[in-house]
Amino acid sequence: GAVVSQHPSRVICKSGTSVKIECRSLDFQATTMFWYRQFPKKSLMLMATSNEGSKATYEQGVEKDKFLINHASLTLSTLTVTSAHPEDSSFYICSALGGGTYEQYFGPGTRLTVT
Amino acid sequence: AQTVTQSQPEMSVQEAETVTLSCTYDTSENNYYLFWYKQPPSRQMILVIRQEAYKQQNATENRFSVNFQKAAKSFSLKISDSQLGDTAMYFCASGMNRDDKIIFGKGTRLHILP
Repeated sequence: GAVVSQHPSRVICKSGTSVKIECRSLDFQATTMFWYRQFPKKSLMLMATSNEGSKATYEQGVEKDKFLINHASLTLSTLTVTSAHPEDSSFYICSALGGGTYEQYFGPGTRLTVT
Repeated sequence: AQTVTQSQPEMSVQEAETVTLSCTYDTSENNYYLFWYKQPPSRQMILVIRQEAYKQQNATENRFSVNFQKAAKSFSLKISDSQLGDTAMYFCASGMNRDDKIIFGKGTRLHILP
């Protein structure tokens, strides 16, 4: 089946620094990827839709200047959390839309801790 | 706007029993899809089952089946012969064909007891 990877799996950074999370579709091309945020014991909250070669579409309430998304190729989307603060600590999950299908394939997630 | 509601925050059943997880949704779209995802302790999201709204027949995948009531906008998941490995968070979700976004419910934490 389709595999999506995320790197890193967990990261700790200091407040005020930026951190980049990568999402890769390993065995298929994904023109569309999605970024979610999940708080402990809560549901997935869609942050943005990442489209290859164009600007990401952000959900209401998500700061696009804080959460920079780049989808430079058909297999890679990156989420950069800029000037991170402790409240940005969370579990970030990406998914990729399978080529020719409406099914989303999820990455294993990245746990971000901002100290 | 799409909404997905799961009214059971947590459930526990004995191994080998059958359990039904409830989900209701709201959408103004004609073409949409419904999903049940499982999130075990590893936190990897796993697709359990999906249903196309235009199909009247309820989807089944081995021990998992759904009861799709389109008029009532209800989409429940039945797990038969539950196993310890079924212990997980279960999310009901809805997606629209036109933009492929998936909106998730708040989830039901399911415990299968030995």
